[in-house]
Amino acid sequence: GENVEQHPSTLSVQEGDSAVIKCTYSDSASNYFPWYKQELGKGPQLIIDIRSNVGEKKDQRIAVTLNKTAKHFSLHITETQPEDSAVYFCAAQLSTSGTYKYIFGTGTRLKVLA
Amino acid sequence: KAGVTQTPRYLIKTRGQQVTLSCSPISGHRSVSWYQQTPGQGLQFLFEYFSETQRNKGNFPGRFSGRQFSNSRSEMNVSTLELGDSALYLCASQGTVGTGELFFGEGSRLTVL
Repeated sequence: GENVEQHPSTLSVQEGDSAVIKCTYSDSASNYFPWYKQELGKGPQLIIDIRSNVGEKKDQRIAVTLNKTAKHFSLHITETQPEDSAVYFCAAQLSTSGTYKYIFGTGTRLKVLA
Repeated sequence: KAGVTQTPRYLIKTRGQQVTLSCSPISGHRSVSWYQQTPGQGLQFLFEYFSETQRNKGNFPGRFSGRQFSNSRSEMNVSTLELGDSALYLCASQGTVGTGELFFGEGSRLTVL
């Protein structure tokens, strides 16, 4: 069935180090992969996304890579800062009969230690 | 531009009761979707509405229902509450049909005792 696996569930890094979060999706028809950041007490917010015709996308300190063959995509955060501490969710979009829905991963709690 | 507004923010119910949650999307957004967030389960899709029509539904029992009004505001209802329904319920609106950004509200935290 439709599924997105996300690892790790928790990740602690020292300030300035890099963080990598990995996701695997099951439906090969998925073609859009957003990443959301959820800060404490708030709703998730889109931070970066990638479409299936692109292998990598960067936006300042964050980047996302996509391997369609392996059905893997990853979020990379470089030079981490305390404000990067949050829960991160990956998602894969499915299209069925002209409608769309998102399948989210289970989340990664990132802690950046000062 | 005002964001997505969800009410109430917090509520406590007892088993067997029902609850109605409300969501006002960003002005001009016609798509509203609902998600249940629980620790370890991430965000699980409940349903999506567009122009008052349910377009997609997740794998939740019939106790979970929703509707959308002509002004795009949406409500979801959970009847015969169970302890396992305790969760953060998030609403998201979308301005572009298809691969568009989801704008989430801050959620309604439901506790079932």
